[in-house]
Amino acid sequence: AQSVTQLDSQVPVFEEAPVELRCNYSSSVSVYLFWYVQYPNQGLQLLLKYLSGSTLVKGINGFEAEFNKSQTSFHLRKPSVHISDTAEYFCAVSDGGSGTYKYIFGTGTRLKVLA
Amino acid sequence: EPEVTQTPSHQVTQMGQEVILRCVPISNHLYFYWYRQILGQKVEFLVSFYNNEISEKSEIFDDQFSVERPDGSNFTLKIRSTKLEDSAMYFCASSQDTGELFFGEGSRLTVL
Repeated sequence: AQSVTQLDSQVPVFEEAPVELRCNYSSSVSVYLFWYVQYPNQGLQLLLKYLSGSTLVKGINGFEAEFNKSQTSFHLRKPSVHISDTAEYFCAVSDGGSGTYKYIFGTGTRLKVLA
Repeated sequence: EPEVTQTPSHQVTQMGQEVILRCVPISNHLYFYWYRQILGQKVEFLVSFYNNEISEKSEIFDDQFSVERPDGSNFTLKIRSTKLEDSAMYFCASSQDTGELFFGEGSRLTVL
């Protein structure tokens, strides 16, 4: 069965500093991986996705993530954060087989950017 | 750009009442989903729907829940007799056969 682990429930970081939000997954089949951002009282916004191809994926708002199959990780990074990046970030995995593509979400990481 | 739309954005109901949450998936998508997010918690899978039937459901999706695609465009989630613990944000999603889901903005349900 698939699972997603986001080890950090909260990450405080100063403005303009780099940040890495960690995500590890387990799956017995090939996977698709996603990062979503959720601002307070809003829906899920897709930041980036890995479906196939290059393991370094670039997304919106200056975020990027690297798929590492050997370490079963898909960590999210940004070289310089802004106050506006304060939000909840969810990692999700979906298996790559045919049929329904159920996502399994991690428990989320609350990024708090400090002035 | 095509998107998944959900109505209502917010519904307040009394415990024991029936609630129907509506979703219009992207028109050429074949797979439909409902997810739930209790305030401050993670997003949880409820049910997936394909070819006019449920393809998978979680243990959360008990007999109080049902889904329907009544007219070829809408996809609804019905909660027969709401409980306090049903208060949550409900997200609809749809997909083609590509492994990527497209989510709506969510419907917030408050049960009093």
